[in-house]
Amino acid sequence: DGGITQSPKYLFRKEGQNVTLSCEQNLNHDAMYWYRQDPGQGLRLIYYSQIVNDFQKGDIAEGYSVSREKKESFPLTVTSAQKNPTAFYLCASRYSPGQQTNYGYTFGSGTRLTVV
Amino acid sequence: DAKTTQPPSMDCAEGRAANLPCNHSTISGNEYVYWYRQIHSQGPQYIIHGLKNNETNEMASLIITEDRKSSTLILPHATLRDTAVYYCIVRAHLVQGGSEKLVFGKGTKLTVNP
Repeated sequence: DGGITQSPKYLFRKEGQNVTLSCEQNLNHDAMYWYRQDPGQGLRLIYYSQIVNDFQKGDIAEGYSVSREKKESFPLTVTSAQKNPTAFYLCASRYSPGQQTNYGYTFGSGTRLTVV
Repeated sequence: DAKTTQPPSMDCAEGRAANLPCNHSTISGNEYVYWYRQIHSQGPQYIIHGLKNNETNEMASLIITEDRKSSTLILPHATLRDTAVYYCIVRAHLVQGGSEKLVFGKGTKLTVNP
């Protein structure tokens, strides 16, 4: 079945370490997104990519980095520069205009990152 | 900022209809109304979307007012598994390349009670 896979589900990081969160999709979607969610809050956009080898900063990109070398993959690196990285991270993807009539987003199941 | 306003929480009895309101008074003519829900510690799940006509699918119905400034998501027979945070979002469908940001507010926490 097609979908988005995020791994790991839980991740613990020591202060000062960089960590990379994986996001893989087999939906043939062009666009991919990373969101951050804090307790009781909505989702905030970190980075997004409309096409391979291209990505743009979202609203809270500081302390994060991404790459989009393959259509299927959009890994997120949480760097030591991110002051408060403990959060729930969600990856999403969608068809580009013209690919499909359903423009809904598909989300992964999330990675919960905790700094210890 | 989110373009929508939703009540922070609602309760519903199991088996009854759950009606979740959403205000989007600044919606543009080319913007659709989307609904997602998020069950605790999972990714949001698409429910339904519409432009100006009422829509129905296997999960829910969407009623959009004639002036399009508000809408209501209806879960006709709520079950305990429908307990979740429900997000109402407005967005345009891009007809060609261009950036897009899906903006989520805090949503409505729906609790279905036995």
